[in-house]
Amino acid sequence: DIQMTQSPSSLSASVGDRVTITCRASQGVNSWLAWYQQKPEKAPKSLIYAASTLQSGVPSRFSGSGSGTDFTLTISSLQPEDFATYYCQQYNSYPLTFGGGTKVEIK
Amino acid sequence: EVQLVESGGGLVQPGESLGLSCAASGFTFSNYWMNWVRQAPGKGLEWVANINHDGSEEQYVDSVKGRFTISRDNAKNSLYLQMNSLRAEDTAVYYCARDQLSSGNFAYWGQGTLVTVSS
Repeated sequence: DIQMTQSPSSLSASVGDRVTITCRASQGVNSWLAWYQQKPEKAPKSLIYAASTLQSGVPSRFSGSGSGTDFTLTISSLQPEDFATYYCQQYNSYPLTFGGGTKVEIK
Repeated sequence: EVQLVESGGGLVQPGESLGLSCAASGFTFSNYWMNWVRQAPGKGLEWVANINHDGSEEQYVDSVKGRFTISRDNAKNSLYLQMNSLRAEDTAVYYCARDQLSSGNFAYWGQGTLVTVSS
């Protein structure tokens, strides 16, 4: 199974900050990497797929990069509605696996 | 608008069975792979199973193989998960999720249904 490791597991940031979350795969997943946002008591929401393709309707302050084993989700200017938990997911091979999540909290 | 609405969750005892359903609307259901993803209380996300367009191919995470069965009825725009021999560790919110397009990432999610396995 491919293990997905996110860092940090949590972070505190202020509105307007630039935030970067890292996801590392235990083996190469090409660009088959997605990012999701989940708010408390809500279903996850798709942000990015194919490592860097923004899902329709997602604000352009979100961006993704990387390929192979190392990936990054960047929020260029954190907004109040962005405080949430973020998950990466590989879909290169079965079983499909998620990272452990990164909780973005208000400083 | 894409909508996925899960139903069927509840409280069951260990060893019992439960069936979940997901009603889909707002897209051509028969064109997409469909998935079940779960989240234990306070934990992260875990993919459970998926099924291809016509139901001829299924994949499962090892922990549910032989106990869970995913199926679909394209005429009813519905996805199902039959869960047998339930264990305490199966306690979770179960989400129905639609593929992007035969890819393996999840473009749309339902609101989830809670399954609790406890004596």
